[in-house]
Amino acid sequence: QVKLLQSGAALVKPGASVKMSCKASGYTFTDYWVSWVKQSHGKSLEWIGEIYPNSGATNFNEKFKGKATLTVDKSTSTAYMELSRLTSEDSAIYYCTREPFDYWGQGVMVTVSS
Amino acid sequence: DIQMTQSPSSLSASLGDRVTITCRASQDIGNYLTWFQQKPGKSPRRMIYGATNLEDGVPSRFSGSRSGSDYSLTISSLESEDVADYHCLQSIQYPLTFGSGTKLEIK
Repeated sequence: QVKLLQSGAALVKPGASVKMSCKASGYTFTDYWVSWVKQSHGKSLEWIGEIYPNSGATNFNEKFKGKATLTVDKSTSTAYMELSRLTSEDSAIYYCTREPFDYWGQGVMVTVSS
Repeated sequence: DIQMTQSPSSLSASLGDRVTITCRASQDIGNYLTWFQQKPGKSPRRMIYGATNLEDGVPSRFSGSRSGSDYSLTISSLESEDVADYHCLQSIQYPLTFGSGTKLEIK
């Protein structure tokens, strides 16, 4: 069965970076785009961007360019997202999802606090 | 960017009621509209894709429809397990954009 297993919660200081992972199983990792989604304030969702594991091609929401970096490791079927120069506005839950958004990871809670 | 205007933001209904949530697209999105259900503390779950297609395993009381630029998610007879947040997503144009969400509660 398809699963996306994300890394654990992170508490990070303002100005620092955080890198989270999303390990896929149960399907051919290189056949599907992986999107990343931010959920702030417990309700609204924002699309951050997507990556195609086969080629590494990416598309981003302009709002997150320079903030988020997406990479993959095909050998371990794992997608990564790194968020840089963190502020309190980056405190949120971050999900990875296989497009067409039929499977989701469990989410990573990122808290930015000194 | 395509704006997805979702309404209502919250909804309280009685068990057995017919419930409708709507997303209006600011531009033509064809049928590139997906509905998600999200229960507290859980990840979103795809319910409807392609505006009208029911995801496997989703109860038949859920349905999706389109009228022009208005897309609706309808629950024909509300059950207690349907308490959740509901989100729509357009995926025809970058950046992909979600509606602002609807919180559905039992009256």
